[in-house]
Amino acid sequence: QVQLVESGGGVVQPGGSLRLSCEASGFTFSAFDMHWVRQAPGKGLEWVAFIKYDGDDKLYAASVVGRSTISRDNSKNILYFEMNSLRAEDTAVYYCAKDSYYDNSGSDYWGQGTLVSVSS
Amino acid sequence: DIQMTQSPSTLSASVGDRVTITCRASQSISNWLAWYQQKPGRAPKLLVYKASILQSGVPSRFSGTGSGTEFTLTISNLQPDDVATYYCQQYKTYIFGQGTKLEIK
Repeated sequence: QVQLVESGGGVVQPGGSLRLSCEASGFTFSAFDMHWVRQAPGKGLEWVAFIKYDGDDKLYAASVVGRSTISRDNSKNILYFEMNSLRAEDTAVYYCAKDSYYDNSGSDYWGQGTLVSVSS
Repeated sequence: DIQMTQSPSTLSASVGDRVTITCRASQSISNWLAWYQQKPGRAPKLLVYKASILQSGVPSRFSGTGSGTEFTLTISNLQPDDVATYYCQQYKTYIFGQGTKLEIK
């Protein structure tokens, strides 16, 4: 069955950096577009970043562009998200999500999320 | 960027009721819209994609309509298990609506 397992969360100081990983299994990882979505405590969902199945196309939310990088290793079935210059408002649960088989059809599988807390 | 305005922000209804949640896009997104259900402490779950196609395994009480800039998610015969927050997401630039928290009276 499809599984997405995020890791790399924790407490980070303001101005610091993070690197999140999402290990995928149960499907052909290299064939699917992927996303990172975050959710601040008590707030709604915020889309953060997208990467095409082959890694050739990437898109970022305005809130993270210029200080973040989404990447993937299709040989290891792992999705990554790196961000620097962290601030308090980056505190959130970060989810990785797999796009559906059909184009523009939503994200049909999500990980359980990993919590990032930006605090001194 | 294409913004999504979702309403209402909270909704209270009785078991057996029919409820409707609306999402408006700031410009046309064709039918590139998905709806998700999120229960507390859980990851979101895809309910509807391409505005009106029910994801496999989702009860037929859920339905989606719309195209262009106006979209609705309708839940018929509301059940206690439907208590959750519902989000729309446009698939042009992936922005989510603000969410609708659904409660049972």
